[in-house]
This record gives sequence, structure tokens and C-alpha cells, in this order.
Amino acid sequence: QSALTQPPSASGSPGQSVTISCTGTSSDVGGYNYVSWYQQHPGKAPKLMIYEVSKRPSGVPDRFSGSKSGNTASLTVSGLQAEDEADYYCSSYAGSNNLRVFGTGTKVTVL
Amino acid sequence: EVQLVESGGDLVQPGGSLRLSCAASGFTFSTYPMHWVRQAPGKGLEYVSAISTDGGSTFYANSVKGRFIISRDNSKNTLYLQMGSLRAEDMAVYYCARAYRYSYDYWGQGTLVIVSS
Repeated sequence: QSALTQPPSASGSPGQSVTISCTGTSSDVGGYNYVSWYQQHPGKAPKLMIYEVSKRPSGVPDRFSGSKSGNTASLTVSGLQAEDEADYYCSSYAGSNNLRVFGTGTKVTVL
Repeated sequence: EVQLVESGGDLVQPGGSLRLSCAASGFTFSTYPMHWVRQAPGKGLEYVSAISTDGGSTFYANSVKGRFIISRDNSKNTLYLQMGSLRAEDMAVYYCARAYRYSYDYWGQGTLVIVSS
């Protein structure tokens, strides 16, 4: 099972928006509405930001939104804040044999 | 408050074995599938293994199949990962994570496994 493809980096100024893509195949991202997104600060455990493509867990700001089209999912962070600077990973259900696949990760920098 | 606390990480020689534990609290452990996810130094996240609520079904990434065994003890609220035939590429921080709606809603702080002679 190959990792999902994410851009290595993305950036934006405070208050701007940034969108991160996550490209897979019809066997993972395109086949199920089970894409999730995680934020990871250096030295910390990942934190769930989005599940089931576009749902936000309690406590996650509505500046974070998710979507999917075909084999590509996206995470948009609106109104960028300094604390949003982190690594972001997507993940998808990949069927009963492989269960889960993660993206390659994107480092978001707030300029 | 949900807490997941991993332990057991250590320095081990190539070909060696190690058992990781993950102590869960703050939720009904027996009602959630549990997973192990790892992260090699400076690298991304990688799914390792998963187990059903009663332990009757287990799943493995191809990279660890035949070498790692996941298990759980619901009476002790503890998840385990028995790791064997360790290789340099198994060196990573290992996280246990609670599975929720095909995502991971809670993660432990991780435990570091170093494979080196």
C-alpha cells in the first residue's frame, strides 16, 4: 500500500487561507468517505482535526475544513494563526486488508 | 479524561524482540478497536497494526506481518505489541491510538524503539 501524496510544504500569512491536497486512489481516498486529517507539532503526538472527510471533532476551530473530490481530499485552514504552524497528515481507510494509509505529510508555515 | 500511555520502548539489537504496552484510562476500553501507528525519526506516520474490540480480529501492515503480534487485555485496559525480528527500519516512535469512525481520536505520547547494534 503506497502512501497518499501530499505537497511537502505550504505557507500563508496570518489571516490568509492555505489548502493542502491529499491524493490517493480508488482503493483508498476515492473509494470511501473515510478521510481524516491530523495536526502534529514538533515532538508531540498527532491531533485529530477532521474525520469522515469533513467532520470536525469537538474543540477543533471551524477555521479547519475538509472536502473530497474523486481520489483527492483537501484540508483548508482559513484565517491562519501562528499556532497553526505544524505538520499535517491525511489518512484514509484502505479496505479490509490494508485498513489505513497515511499521507506523506505537509509542513505548514505561517509567514 | 481519555489517556493512553505507552511504555516498553528501548534500545534493541537487530533481530531482537520487544514488547510495547499501552495503558488506557478514562473510557470503556473494551468498546473501541485500537491501533498502533509509528513514526520513524524525521519521517511521516505509518499504520502498523489494529485489533478489534474483543481481540478476535487482528490486522497488520505488510511491513510487519509475520514479525509483530498485537493483542489486548480488556480486564487490564491494556494494548500490547509484541515485536520480533526487529530491523533497523523498525526504529521509530510507536503510538497507540483509539480508533473512532475510521480515524484516530486519541493518541498516546509515544514510546521510542531504537534498533541498533
